[in-house]
Amino acid sequence: DADVTQTPRNRITKTGKRIMLECSQTKGHDRMYWYRQDPGLGLRLIYYSFDVKDINKGEISDGYSVSRQAQAKFSLSLESAIPNQTALYFCATSSGQGFTEAFFGQGTRLTVV
Amino acid sequence: AQSVTQLDSQVPVFEEAPVELRCNYSSSVSVYLFWYVQYPNQGLQLLLKYLSGSTLVKGINGFEAEFNKSQTSFHLRKPSVHISDTAEYFCAVSQSGGYQKVTFGIGTKLQVIP
Repeated sequence: DADVTQTPRNRITKTGKRIMLECSQTKGHDRMYWYRQDPGLGLRLIYYSFDVKDINKGEISDGYSVSRQAQAKFSLSLESAIPNQTALYFCATSSGQGFTEAFFGQGTRLTVV
Repeated sequence: AQSVTQLDSQVPVFEEAPVELRCNYSSSVSVYLFWYVQYPNQGLQLLLKYLSGSTLVKGINGFEAEFNKSQTSFHLRKPSVHISDTAEYFCAVSQSGGYQKVTFGIGTKLQVIP
């Protein structure tokens, strides 16, 4: 099994719908992250969490929310999806010792029509 | 604030030729540096990292990178590429202390030509 698992892997949704992307990890890491990848823009940080009670906005948090249900689970929600949220979304984890290495999920390809 | 610049968005290279993917960073504090690789339809995988010590870092799949503090660079090199190296490569930087936010470059697509 993968260390970082994202579900779903692919999703098509309509404008205005609420959608949740889920991430779970078996690394035992405290820190979890949600990134968005767009062609030519690289990876941009949406939200990050250093533990269950510590959640922080990243560079591009508008239109998104997150929930850290447990150390191993970190969900990303799009409250009302819009077409420019069409992107590849990655969840990542790192140890509490600092960002010396991140482990990424395989990504969720989201299309908003 | 910190930033990462990957100077080439695409690099075509013939199989068995050498390649260098360029990365420059800016930061007001000490940094950790990373190269990640993304194969098609997959997540990012760590290729190598510089945390401290020797400035020449060796990674997986025959890649290496050299940390040059004066040039604020961390270029990735491989002496002889294979078709299987075709992927997108991301340079990343994080602060070596404190919050340790990580910033990624926009990526360089390496296309190995048979």
